Amino acid sequence: QKEVEQNSGPLSVPEGAIASLNCTYSDRGSQSFFWYRQYSGKSPELIMSIYSNGDKEDGRFTAQLNKASQYVSLLIRDSQPSDSATYLCAVKKSGGGADGLTFGKGTHLIIQP
Amino acid sequence: EAGVVQSPRYKIIEKKQPVAFWCNPISGHNTLYWYRQNLGQGPELLIRYENEEAVDDSQLPKDRFSAERLKGVDSTLKIQPAELGDSAVYLCASTSGGGANVLTFGAGSRLTVL
Repeated sequence: QKEVEQNSGPLSVPEGAIASLNCTYSDRGSQSFFWYRQYSGKSPELIMSIYSNGDKEDGRFTAQLNKASQYVSLLIRDSQPSDSATYLCAVKKSGGGADGLTFGKGTHLIIQP
Repeated sequence: EAGVVQSPRYKIIEKKQPVAFWCNPISGHNTLYWYRQNLGQGPELLIRYENEEAVDDSQLPKDRFSAERLKGVDSTLKIQPAELGDSAVYLCASTSGGGANVLTFGAGSRLTVL
């Protein structure tokens, strides 16, 4: 089992609809969870972080975490063509300090105008 | 505030040749990472530095890869000799440390080995 799993897609969503991206992780002791967006040919940029169970909202983005199910999701409301990108789920494994993140393969999201 | 700066942005070399990548992290960021990203994959950690000390290099292929961060600021990642499978984007990231672990990435160095 891979440490961080994502459906690679592509996930195609009509403009204005809700895009739902999912991620599962294997280390039950993981503490910190991140969503990065990566445009083609560019480097990843952080869009959301979440540390406790439940929902966290920031503008059109909502991150959801369920540690019991080892599941993280990202919802994008009112999807725009500019949201078309690869979304990387990243997990900081258990343990203290600034350990490196473990990334999933990413989900390629396409917003259809 | 300047971001993480990497150079070169692109490098094309023949196999068995050496190559080096340079990274200047965000000012004040003590923790520096080198990641490798293959096409269609997520970034994979190669090495992590806390100041000038390499605290996690378990994923660095030490037979051909080396890295240094002599003064705890800039870092260099070297491959010698390069192989075809080394073609990838090499990403440098930095963070101020602590539990939040919010990484900021540089633009990356895209390596093509022919």
